[in-house]
Amino acid sequence: NAGVTQTPKFQVLKTGQSMTLQCAQDMNHEYMSWYRQDPGMGLRLIHYSVGAGITDQGEVPNGYNVSRSTTEDFPLRLLSAAPSQTSVYFCASSYTSGSSYEQYFGPGTRLTVT
Amino acid sequence: GENVEQHPSTLSVQEGDSAVIKCTYSDSASNYFPWYKQELGKRPQLIIDIRSNVGEKKDQRIAVTLNKTAKHFSLHITETQPEDSAVYFCAAPSGGSYIPTFGRGTSLIVHP
Repeated sequence: NAGVTQTPKFQVLKTGQSMTLQCAQDMNHEYMSWYRQDPGMGLRLIHYSVGAGITDQGEVPNGYNVSRSTTEDFPLRLLSAAPSQTSVYFCASSYTSGSSYEQYFGPGTRLTVT
Repeated sequence: GENVEQHPSTLSVQEGDSAVIKCTYSDSASNYFPWYKQELGKRPQLIIDIRSNVGEKKDQRIAVTLNKTAKHFSLHITETQPEDSAVYFCAAPSGGSYIPTFGRGTSLIVHP
């Protein structure tokens, strides 16, 4: 099992450019989510999905779009990059076992917007 | 939605000392509380979790305690070692979902 994979690992964008961060998991997990991590701010939820075809907004969704056409893939699209979107982005997937769940994180994408 | 507060933001201890990190949450329906460890440049990984029907859980040198009445839970690390140096995050599920809200993290520094 590769677990959760993310590409690219690093990316530099100019303001106004668009791009897609890729995320895939091979564990057949229902739940997938995207977080951004900024110094002193912890992990903030951008968007999440509870299954193929179902997505919802998290705490900081503005400027980002997602889709979930398959169980495995959950891409994050930046529509028009802004310097405020400079951050480290983590994708995560999880399964549920009764009331508990464990988030499995990808290795992260470090994005710089100039 | 859930609001998770975590303290302290930085904790510096000597090797062998104990470390305690505390979190509070707002949603009384929350019933699962995981803790994640993130080493520098790496991804967060689950180290221990607790369900709401349990008051304490131990795994070797780490333990988590939960007070549902007061809506707070804590991570305890005993006999700290330099390899315990990392950022630790607490989390609680949002609105009965399986998507957690994370605290802002505690940077633990263990001095040899």
